[in-house]
Amino acid sequence: DVKVTQSSRYLVKRTGEKVFLECVQDMDHENMFWYRQDPGLGLRLIYFSYDVKMKEKGDIPEGYSVSREKKERFSLILESASTNQTSMYLCASSLAGENIQYFGAGTRLSVL
Amino acid sequence: AQSVTQLDSQVPVFEEAPVELRCNYSSSVSVYLFWYVQYPNQGLQLLLKYLSGSTLVKGINGFEAEFNKSQTSFHLRKPSVHISDTAEYFCAVKLDSWGKLQFGAGTQVVVTP
Repeated sequence: DVKVTQSSRYLVKRTGEKVFLECVQDMDHENMFWYRQDPGLGLRLIYFSYDVKMKEKGDIPEGYSVSREKKERFSLILESASTNQTSMYLCASSLAGENIQYFGAGTRLSVL
Repeated sequence: AQSVTQLDSQVPVFEEAPVELRCNYSSSVSVYLFWYVQYPNQGLQLLLKYLSGSTLVKGINGFEAEFNKSQTSFHLRKPSVHISDTAEYFCAVKLDSWGKLQFGAGTQVVVTP
């Protein structure tokens, strides 16, 4: 079974802090994704990576950056957290050319 | 641009009753469609997918969906729901060759005894 692991289920941070959300997948998938989930808005793509050190902006990249130094790990970085970044963050991965994305359990981030 | 509209934000249903969740899409290219389910406090998992072929697609847990090209719809159905089907359901369309997805806003299904 594919496993996508997000390092934290719940995180509480203060405004202005630098925040790292980590995601690791164990199936050698080329593609990795970071989404933000908000009620009534569904999932919105923040960033996408199709290979090590390769990244593409999604629909809502402002205020976020990403890092992919190893194939299995994709990090989402909030350089200076703000209250409007309080949300559920979901990581996913997929095989290149495949259509199915596999999701982690999510990290619920609160920025106070 | 491709988009997905889920017409119902919440669907209450009694146990053992049927349920239908509506999804409409807009797409100018070949359509690949998906339904994902999110149980409470969990990530999303794939229920079923339509890539080509038969327009009636069967998925896990007794769910099925019908692709209707003329109506640009991909509605999800289950003939008899269980309490354990209480979850949020997301319809999605594939955006590009990288496999990026556009998700709908989600439909919360609440099953009561």
